[in-house]
Amino acid sequence: DVKVTQSSRYLVKRTGEKVFLECVQDMDHENMFWYRQDPGLGLRLIYFSYDVKMKEKGDIPEGYSVSREKKERFSLILESASTNQTSMYLCASRSVGEAYNEQFFGPGTRLTVL
Amino acid sequence: QKEVEQNSGPLSVPEGAIASLNCTYSDRVSQSFFWYRQYSGKSPELIMSIYSNGDKEDGRFTAQLNKASQYVSLLIRDSQPSDSATYLCAVMRTGGGNKLTFGTGTQLKVEL
Repeated sequence: DVKVTQSSRYLVKRTGEKVFLECVQDMDHENMFWYRQDPGLGLRLIYFSYDVKMKEKGDIPEGYSVSREKKERFSLILESASTNQTSMYLCASRSVGEAYNEQFFGPGTRLTVL
Repeated sequence: QKEVEQNSGPLSVPEGAIASLNCTYSDRVSQSFFWYRQYSGKSPELIMSIYSNGDKEDGRFTAQLNKASQYVSLLIRDSQPSDSATYLCAVMRTGGGNKLTFGTGTQLKVEL
């Protein structure tokens, strides 16, 4: 089974803190993604990476950065957390090659910024 | 216009009935289409993928694709209470860097 794991299920941080969300996948997938999910807005892509040290902005990258130093690990960084970054954060990974390859999601991290 | 549109619901169907979930997309060069199921508090899980016009069946699930009308649907036969969840439609564009664009989801409630 593909396993995508995220470092925390629940996280509470204060405004202005630097926040690290970690994601690890064990299936040697090239592509990795970070989304946030908010009621009424659905899943929105923050950043994605198609290989080690490669990254591209998604639809809502402002206030976020990412790091991918190893193929299996993709980190999302909130440089200075703000209350409007309170959300569910979902990491996903996917193998390249076929257009219909499944994208697997991690369990999610529910982040609350106070 | 949203890239991927779904009716938010809730869609309520009685147990044993057919549930029909619909999705429209705006980009004609979209090539692959996916249906994910998401239970409350859980992450999405893939239940169907389709990339050719027509129907694709897998157990109680049938995905239907009509590229000319830019429309994809999911039918769930013999609906069960365990099917109660939010169903997300996702679309992948050709040359889109393997990115999926998701609709906001349709909440399905299967009632006893």
